[in-house]
Amino acid sequence: EAQVTQNPRYLITVTGKKLTVTCSQNMNHEYMSWYRQDPGLGLRQIYYSMNVEVTDKGDVPEGYKVSRKEKRNFPLILESPSPNQTSLYFCASSLSGQGFAEAFFGQGTRLTVV
Amino acid sequence: ILNVEQSPQSLHVQEGDSTNFTCSFPSSNFYALHWYRWETAKSPEALFVMTLNGDEKKKGRISATLNTKEGYSYLYIKGSQPEDSATYLCAFRPNSGYALNFGKGTSLLVTP
Repeated sequence: EAQVTQNPRYLITVTGKKLTVTCSQNMNHEYMSWYRQDPGLGLRQIYYSMNVEVTDKGDVPEGYKVSRKEKRNFPLILESPSPNQTSLYFCASSLSGQGFAEAFFGQGTRLTVV
Repeated sequence: ILNVEQSPQSLHVQEGDSTNFTCSFPSSNFYALHWYRWETAKSPEALFVMTLNGDEKKKGRISATLNTKEGYSYLYIKGSQPEDSATYLCAFRPNSGYALNFGKGTSLLVTP
């Protein structure tokens, strides 16, 4: 089954404790991205990757890191989480970064930083 | 971040009603417009990707139109059913850059 898998689905952590949210897709997609969803705001892009070893900042990259060492995986790293990073996070992939390719989303990770 | 507006913010209709909502986006620098359906506790799923002015797409009871010159798209649901209850997101992709710019969504509730 074609899918984007995120882990964990839920996470409560403390300020400053490094964490990684994993994202994996099995569709051989070139383009992957991370979004955060906050109440009253639309999905906002954090980082994206056009292909292996190619990553770039989205609209809200501060406090996050990513890597793309393999085509299927695109982990999101919070080196020193803060309470303002409490949010619902989605990973997404698409065939390419061209705008006509629909995005496939993971099931989301609800992160709480206390 | 480009301004993508969706209206109304929420909508409550009775089963069998037809309904529509709007997505407004910058008319210049257009490349593509996406519609996604997002059910509670699930992930957003693509409904349509539209690229040409005047495009009309249909999937079952749901259809969408696109006007790139004036910068809007309409999503129509004919004969709403309770299972149509979800948040409907539109996303604008400009000609420059690689980001999808999402609106805040329209939350639809269909009651029997």
